[in-house]
Amino acid sequence: NAGVTQTPKFQVLKTGQSMTLQCAQDMNHEYMSWYRQDPGMGLRLIHYSVGAGITDQGEVPNGYNVSRSTTEDFPLRLLSAAPSQTSVYFCAISESRWETGNTIYFGEGSWLTVV
Amino acid sequence: AQKVTQAQTEISVVEKEDVTLDCVYETRDTTYYLFWYKQPPSGELVFLIRRNSFDEQNEISGRYSWNFQKSTSSFNFTITASQVVDSAVYFCALSEDRSGNTPLVFGKGTRLSVIA
Repeated sequence: NAGVTQTPKFQVLKTGQSMTLQCAQDMNHEYMSWYRQDPGMGLRLIHYSVGAGITDQGEVPNGYNVSRSTTEDFPLRLLSAAPSQTSVYFCAISESRWETGNTIYFGEGSWLTVV
Repeated sequence: AQKVTQAQTEISVVEKEDVTLDCVYETRDTTYYLFWYKQPPSGELVFLIRRNSFDEQNEISGRYSWNFQKSTSSFNFTITASQVVDSAVYFCALSEDRSGNTPLVFGKGTRLSVIA
């Protein structure tokens, strides 16, 4: 999985609880992002970062918060979990280089259930 | 705005048959990248191929081949002599920015079932 580590792999939350999904990389890639995958919806971008200190919203950012204080880490925070956030979450990394054309490599995924 | 359409939601074939997965994309940029990813039942996302908009040559990798046609905005994926291990969900994706700072937009995926 191209040096991308996601934790936890499985998590059950109660509605209203907060939690952080961790994403760490050892490839020194500038670009990191979070996607969620829901049945029949493909993957949708939540937030992304093009480097330490820089983050931006994707297609479905509501209810999530991110920060990028280091190149290696890009945590995703659920502020007050809702059942609609039950999903599989993928962290991804890529190099910003013409040669690689921002080929994105994904972590193994985190299965989150909100009850 | 960019968009990727995978019209085939599910495909079922018998082992050793050839199968083509369709991907149609929309973009206003002249520079873009197209990707295919495989998601086996175990859930991870496996990168298969990247193609940039300047290179319309078809590519073959073992039993896999890709047909990129800018005239029809399509990037179709063919598996020859399918095997049970090919059973997975396949995603086509598009990125418009050569700098690497534009995220991927995914199609909704095609679930391929290969029956022994």
